[in-house]
Amino acid sequence: QKEVEQDPGPLSVPEGAIVSLNCTYSNSAFQYFMWYRQYSRKGPELLMYTYSSGNKEDGRFTAQVDKSSKYISLFIRDSQPSDSATYLCAMKSNAGNMLTFGGGTRLMVKP
Amino acid sequence: GAVVSQHPSWVICKSGTSVKIECRSLDFQATTMFWYRQFPKQSLMLMATSNEGSKATYEQGVEKDKFLINHASLTLSTLTVTSAHPEDSSFYICSARVSNEQFFGPGTRLTVL
Repeated sequence: QKEVEQDPGPLSVPEGAIVSLNCTYSNSAFQYFMWYRQYSRKGPELLMYTYSSGNKEDGRFTAQVDKSSKYISLFIRDSQPSDSATYLCAMKSNAGNMLTFGGGTRLMVKP
Repeated sequence: GAVVSQHPSWVICKSGTSVKIECRSLDFQATTMFWYRQFPKQSLMLMATSNEGSKATYEQGVEKDKFLINHASLTLSTLTVTSAHPEDSSFYICSARVSNEQFFGPGTRLTVL
């Protein structure tokens, strides 16, 4: 079993839909949680960074962390075709030096 | 967020030659940088962790003599692919950490003929 599981998709939604992207993890030591967006042939772009359980909102994006369930989510409201990309969750423990990534979910927002 | 640049963005080389990729943190100092490679439709694979002024730490299965990493300053790390072969063709991405956030460069696409 991988440390971080993420549905690879592809996830296809119509423009304007609310998108829900999720990751589950097994290592209870993870404390820092990140969501990255990666366009084809580009480096990942940090979208959201959260520490501890709860919600964090930034524009159309909301990151949610539930440590008790070892489950994190990224919600995208009013999705746009420009949101079409691969979304990677990543997490890190306090002591650890490196990120552990999910496999990425490919999102397609159709106009 | 912090900006990380990479150069070149795209390189084609002949088999047997060496290629150097530069990674710079533009508006911050990075004591730790990371090098990843990514194959099409796959997630990022960590190759090595680079600490300024010390030897890089390589992940299992990554040949340190083939992938030379130098982190000579707080804003620059380089990856040199030595004696490149077609199987080294990949997308190489560097990353720099600021506190507990990690920022990525735009990537370098290497094609070895």
